[in-house]
Amino acid sequence: EAGVTQSPTHLIKTRGQQATLRCSPISGHTSVYWYQQALGLGLQFLLWYDEGEERNRGNFPPRFSGRQFPNYSSELNVNALELEDSALYLCASSFTGFAEAFFGQGTRLTVV
Amino acid sequence: DQQVKQNSPSLSVQEGRISILNCDYTNSMFDYFLWYKKYPAEGPTFLISISSIKDKNEDGRFTVFLNKSAKHLSLHIVPSQPGDSAVYFCAAATNFGNEKLTFGTGTRLTIIP
Repeated sequence: EAGVTQSPTHLIKTRGQQATLRCSPISGHTSVYWYQQALGLGLQFLLWYDEGEERNRGNFPPRFSGRQFPNYSSELNVNALELEDSALYLCASSFTGFAEAFFGQGTRLTVV
Repeated sequence: DQQVKQNSPSLSVQEGRISILNCDYTNSMFDYFLWYKKYPAEGPTFLISISSIKDKNEDGRFTVFLNKSAKHLSLHIVPSQPGDSAVYFCAAATNFGNEKLTFGTGTRLTIIP
């Protein structure tokens, strides 16, 4: 069974540009979570989608946004990129109401 | 405000000995706790969990202990193996999965052969 898949693996963008990161959850999972892991920091919660709706949002500015599609895949958009947005972005999925989330390998975003 | 804290950024343990990783939390509403393991260039993988109604949960070489009064949990790995070398994150949730997971900053465990 396929795990959580994220694309692209690496992404290099220039300051001020927009980045789009994609996530396909494990089949049957309806919840998708996005986390940011900046250098030297833990996993910071970004967004949680469940059944197509945004359920919770972390302490990030509005230029971090996303959505969940009818097939439960998800997209994270980061607008007006800043150098400090350089980080590993991890997507995780779970069944609705279950805390055990399974992570993808992440997208390494580098802003230059 | 770091609600889940792992105060030891790194830990080295001899192969075959016990590894003990610690985690403290401040939010008394947390009622479910998880440990994840992360290898370089991979996403975290779920290891073991414990709900607040228990004080111990065991799965093979891994045991998680929860001390609710101290708001402290620990992960014991016995015996430690070289493949256990990784970064370990503890995470906590309120309302058993109906809220986001809050992660600690991780502890890098190195098993010395």
